[in-house]
Amino acid sequence: DQQVKQNSPSLSVQEGRISILNCDYTNSMFDYFLWYKKYPAEGPTFLISISSIKDKNEDGRFTVFLNKSAKHLSLHIVPSQPGDSAVYFCAASAIYGQNFVFGPGTRLSVLP
Amino acid sequence: EAGVTQSPTHLIKTRGQQATLRCSPISGHTSVYWYQQALGLGLQFLLWYDEGEERNRGNFPPRFSGRQFPNYSSELNVNALELEDSALYLCASSLLQGKDGYTFGSGTRLTVV
Repeated sequence: DQQVKQNSPSLSVQEGRISILNCDYTNSMFDYFLWYKKYPAEGPTFLISISSIKDKNEDGRFTVFLNKSAKHLSLHIVPSQPGDSAVYFCAASAIYGQNFVFGPGTRLSVLP
Repeated sequence: EAGVTQSPTHLIKTRGQQATLRCSPISGHTSVYWYQQALGLGLQFLLWYDEGEERNRGNFPPRFSGRQFPNYSSELNVNALELEDSALYLCASSLLQGKDGYTFGSGTRLTVV
């Protein structure tokens, strides 16, 4: 039973355009969410987080939106750059900062 | 500041053997997490250690075990290796209840033949 789902295994976007990566979760106890980026042969690196008391968090080109009623969050990258090409993982936690459950990842390809 | 370091980077074992994977957390981090990333799958939670104690484990059989040492480094042991144990094993560390999530190492690629 997958508690965190990323239904798009891959996404291709033109450089300069917006990338939107989606994540759905089933556990209503989740209240803290993270996005990680992973390049091949490297460990995932933390990108941005959001807690359930907010519906939006922004950091430079990256914005995460949370819709608690729909149990859905999304990561927006604007403008997309070729260096953003990586696998993006959504992660959720029911206890602040602990025991994150990861989604299967979405491979983003930003085309020049 | 050194990041999370894992060793070895690659490991090849025969079915039925035992594998030992090692992880050194970021200085000051007391929690160590182990995740498995099998081909085509996401990160599956294996184990969480904090202050030398196992705090939680994922849905894996008992032949996956580990420990955390007084210096907070950690070891993951996989006994009676099976072909499907072939995966990238990632270690991460954090302060307890670290709000910025985990810092991951680069992983150990375990291949069981």
